[in-house]
Amino acid sequence: AAGVIQSPRHLIKEKRETATLKCYPIPRHDTVYWYQQGPGQDPQFLISFYEKMQSDKGSIPDRFSAQQFSDYHSELNMSSLELGDSALYFCASSYPWGPLHFGNGTRLTVT
Amino acid sequence: KQEVTQIPAALSVPEGENLVLNCSFTDSAIYNLQWFRQDPGKGLTSLLLIQSSQREQTSGRLNASLDKSSGRSTLYIAASQPGDSATYLCAVAPVGGGSNYKLTFGKGTLLTVNP
Repeated sequence: AAGVIQSPRHLIKEKRETATLKCYPIPRHDTVYWYQQGPGQDPQFLISFYEKMQSDKGSIPDRFSAQQFSDYHSELNMSSLELGDSALYFCASSYPWGPLHFGNGTRLTVT
Repeated sequence: KQEVTQIPAALSVPEGENLVLNCSFTDSAIYNLQWFRQDPGKGLTSLLLIQSSQREQTSGRLNASLDKSSGRSTLYIAASQPGDSATYLCAVAPVGGGSNYKLTFGKGTLLTVNP
């Protein structure tokens, strides 16, 4: 069965650079969620989209932005990267009220 | 603000043992509770989802219970195997709001099953 696809799997950036993470949800899932998991930490909710509109926002820095496109894929854009942004970034998708499915994540390292 | 606590933080058992992982949450106004498994550096795999109206869910050797009024859930793993070694995370979804899955996670229990 198709799963949530995230790209790239690994990304290395320098401080103050910009990074773009992509997420391709399971077909026909209309809701996408982004989570950030720092080293040794639990995942923290960043932002979610339903039918291409932002539906909720968590602890997402102003330097980060995200959107969901007409084909339902989503991108998380991070600018002015800081060392503390190094983390695993997960995307998840679901139907409304359906089970949540996570991707394998993008590991971002900021040097 | 919802807080989720998992006990113990780490657990090491010999193969074949039955074990229980605990999860507690401070706000009982939840929509559902999920147990996830996470292997090192990997994504989250949903194991069991319990709706707020349910008391338990079972899948194979796994059984999860929910006592919403007391803010507790347990994950029971029967006849543990070395392949069960992973971090187990409990997460709760809030009632209402813009997102069904604005989850609050616990910090997880690192389980090691020794052959």
